[in-house]
Amino acid sequence: DSGVTQTPKHLITATGQRVTLRCSPRSGDLSVYWYQQSLDQGLQFLIQYYNGEERAKGNILERFSAQQFPDLHSELNLSSLELGDSALYFCASSVQGLGTGELFFGEGSRLTVL
Amino acid sequence: GESVGLHLPTLSVQEGDNSIINCAYSNSASDYFIWYKQESGKGPQFIIDIRSNMDKRQGQRVTVLLNKTVKHLSLQIAATQPGDSAVYFCAETGRNRDDKIIFGKGTRLHILP
Repeated sequence: DSGVTQTPKHLITATGQRVTLRCSPRSGDLSVYWYQQSLDQGLQFLIQYYNGEERAKGNILERFSAQQFPDLHSELNLSSLELGDSALYFCASSVQGLGTGELFFGEGSRLTVL
Repeated sequence: GESVGLHLPTLSVQEGDNSIINCAYSNSASDYFIWYKQESGKGPQFIIDIRSNMDKRQGQRVTVLLNKTVKHLSLQIAATQPGDSAVYFCAETGRNRDDKIIFGKGTRLHILP
């Protein structure tokens, strides 16, 4: 158990809909990262927050947004969903910002868009 | 540009043999490299890391080698066990606070009985 909690574990929805994925980092970790993993693909970095502020942005679509709340949990919002958005979405946390320390990953939220 | 690639998508190794998983990176400014293991249905798990000022680092049954001249990274697993079956990702990042951690596509390791 990494200490990172993601909900929901599975989500099935239709095209055009909007979903919110939630992540609670390990206790004490200030950084939260979001990654997308499609079938047989690597982990695509989406976005990172550090202590409530956006720190780095990757290949995140404009239809996607995220935020980190004062209690350090984070939410990833996916809107106007398309079939290609079906993927595993991972959240990870670390004590420090990017470039240092290991990431602790949650077990992921599997999104299926029909 | 930002790219971390792996030479082989799938590697099959006899149980008890040593495994070597390779990774090429393209960003010469990368300063920190990490190997992750992802078992089926789980999130990636940190295995070992290495900074660019080192060329070798050993852990328990694992060794990471870094060759900055040819921008190559490898993970060696000694005496491979069935529990080592997983997808292995290399990742790279820079020394700056805003540098992203970029993952490669992964190598699936199969352990043959």
